[in-house]
Order: sequence, then structure tokens, then C-alpha cells
Amino acid sequence: AQSVTQLGSHVSVSEGALVLLRCNYSSSVPPYLFWYVQYPNQGLQLLLKYTSAATLVKGINGFEAEFKKSETSFHLTKPSAHMSDAAEYFCAVSGNTGNQFYFGTGTSLTVIP
Amino acid sequence: EPEVTQTPSHQVTQMGQEVILRCVPISNHLYFYWYRQILGQKVEFLVSFYNNEISEKSEIFDDQFSVERPDGSNFTLKIRSTKLEDSAMYFCASRSDVGADGYTFGSGTRLTVV
Repeated sequence: AQSVTQLGSHVSVSEGALVLLRCNYSSSVPPYLFWYVQYPNQGLQLLLKYTSAATLVKGINGFEAEFKKSETSFHLTKPSAHMSDAAEYFCAVSGNTGNQFYFGTGTSLTVIP
Repeated sequence: EPEVTQTPSHQVTQMGQEVILRCVPISNHLYFYWYRQILGQKVEFLVSFYNNEISEKSEIFDDQFSVERPDGSNFTLKIRSTKLEDSAMYFCASRSDVGADGYTFGSGTRLTVV
């Protein structure tokens, strides 16, 4: 069975500050991990994915995430927050032969000018 | 870039009425999904569809729900007799293959049951 836990339902950062959104996963098989972003009144857009290649994954809009098996984590980071990064962020996991995705409860990111 | 298209963007229906939510997946994708997101809650899996049949479904996907791919392009979710608790954002998604591919999601249909 797979699941993800996102710590912190709301995160606020100043413009230009580091963004860190936390995700821990549980999986009985080697996982595939994903981060999605949801802007207001829009659908879910894939930011990046980990599929057992490089542990440091770079995505769109300057985001990256590092897969740490020892910590069962896949935290999302961005060195410098921009106002346009304000959105809801979802971590998701599936098994390597998995069909279904399991989403976290989401983290709402606010960027303060 | 190819998109998953969902219509309508917002639907209001009376309790007990049937609703059909429509989706046009990306044309060369083979796997199709419906997820829902009740306001303020996580995105929940409803059903997956492959090769013209349901491949997985969740406990949420009871007899009131059905899916269909009637014409090889549209992928529909029908709720036979809507309840207040069916109010949610419903997302359609498609992918070309299982495993490493992420989904491509549509922008969602907000269903409000009154």
C-alpha cells in the first residue's frame, strides 16, 4: 500500500526566500513520486517526478525535489520564492507498476511581498 | 501542448438528479481516470479505465457512479442520483502508460448539488 503525508497545510514565505514543502511517503514497493501544483480555479499541473533514476529531480519553474530513501522523504524546494508560486502543492505516490496515485492533503503556499 | 479537456467547468444540479461529466483525454493516451476533490480535502481516486473497461475503482465509486468511453474520444462520468455529499471538484486525467508517466489532468468540473 502507498500513502503520502504532507507536513504543514499552510506555508508562508517572503518573496525571494527559500521554499521548502515537505512530503514523506510510505510504500511497500519502490515508489514513483510526483509533485503537482494547483493554481486557483485550475487543474493539477505536474511539477516534477521521481522514477528511480537520479535522486535529485529538477522540475518546472525552478522547483526541485530530492528522493531520500533513508528518510522516506521527497521534499520540494525552490531557492527563491516568486509571487507567482502562490498555489496549492500536492505530493503523490504510486507503485512502479501502479495505476492509482495516492495524493497528500496538500500544502497551500503563500508568498509575502 | 496536448491537454485534457473537461466540460462543463461548473455544474449545479438538484439532489437526486443525474449528471454526466465529460472529458476528452489526450488522443494517444490509453489510461483514463476520474478523481475528485471535496473542498478543502485531498484529491481522491475514483476509478481507472483501460481497454474499454474499469481496471480499478475505489470504495467511493459505488453503484451510483459509472464511466463510459462512448465514441473513442470522450470519457464520461455519470452520477445517477446525486447527493449533497457529491459536491466536489471532479478531475479527469489520462496517461500514455502506467509506471513512470505522470497523469495529465484536466482543469476540473466543479459539481454543486443543491
